[in-house]
Amino acid sequence: LAKTTQPISMDSYEGQEVNITCSHNNIATNDYITWYQQFPSQGPRFIIQGYKTKVTNEVASLFIPADRKSSTLSLPRVSLSDTAVYYCLVGGPNSGNTGKLIFGQGTTLQVKP
Amino acid sequence: NAGVTQTPKFRVLKTGQSMTLLCAQDMNHEYMYWYRQDPGMGLRLIHYSVGEGTTAKGEVPDGYNVSRLKKQNFLLGLESAAPSQTSVYFCASSSHRTGTDTQYFGPGTRLTVL
Repeated sequence: LAKTTQPISMDSYEGQEVNITCSHNNIATNDYITWYQQFPSQGPRFIIQGYKTKVTNEVASLFIPADRKSSTLSLPRVSLSDTAVYYCLVGGPNSGNTGKLIFGQGTTLQVKP
Repeated sequence: NAGVTQTPKFRVLKTGQSMTLLCAQDMNHEYMYWYRQDPGMGLRLIHYSVGEGTTAKGEVPDGYNVSRLKKQNFLLGLESAAPSQTSVYFCASSSHRTGTDTQYFGPGTRLTVL
């Protein structure tokens, strides 16, 4: 079971690019890396998912090095509304039927004006 | 589509009382999950289900029971509530057909046990 480690908190200012790195040293061959965002009083929301190299969508980019032992979520030009907790998860296609997807403490991102 | 809905949104119980939380999804997902989230902590999996009529224990199952009689519904029961069960409860669902288990979450139920 791949365990993830990410910073507990980060601060940034509006308009800056924010990079949150997650370590997952024992990631398995068929594991994907998924990031979720959670606003106060809401359930987590899927942001982005990747397996290797780089993935980009309208919200964020995900960078995964060749050894896949870490990944970096990149949020371009953050705004106050990006203040949230960000969770990094690692799991394979069958993780859902084994209850093995683990949400850690996440990274609390505080964006300041 | 409403996605994942949870009923009720808030509830206050006295120690020893029982209640059932209802989760419903309209995405035809096979998998459903119940999590709890306590202040300053991430989500912890209570129970989950991989299909209608099946349930399995997660990380913190003690004190809870679940049932999945219909594919679209997943019920979480507290038979005898304790103050330690004061928490925010989230339900989620996912489809195995996606192959990567992206989970869709409900808005949460805030439960206080006095």
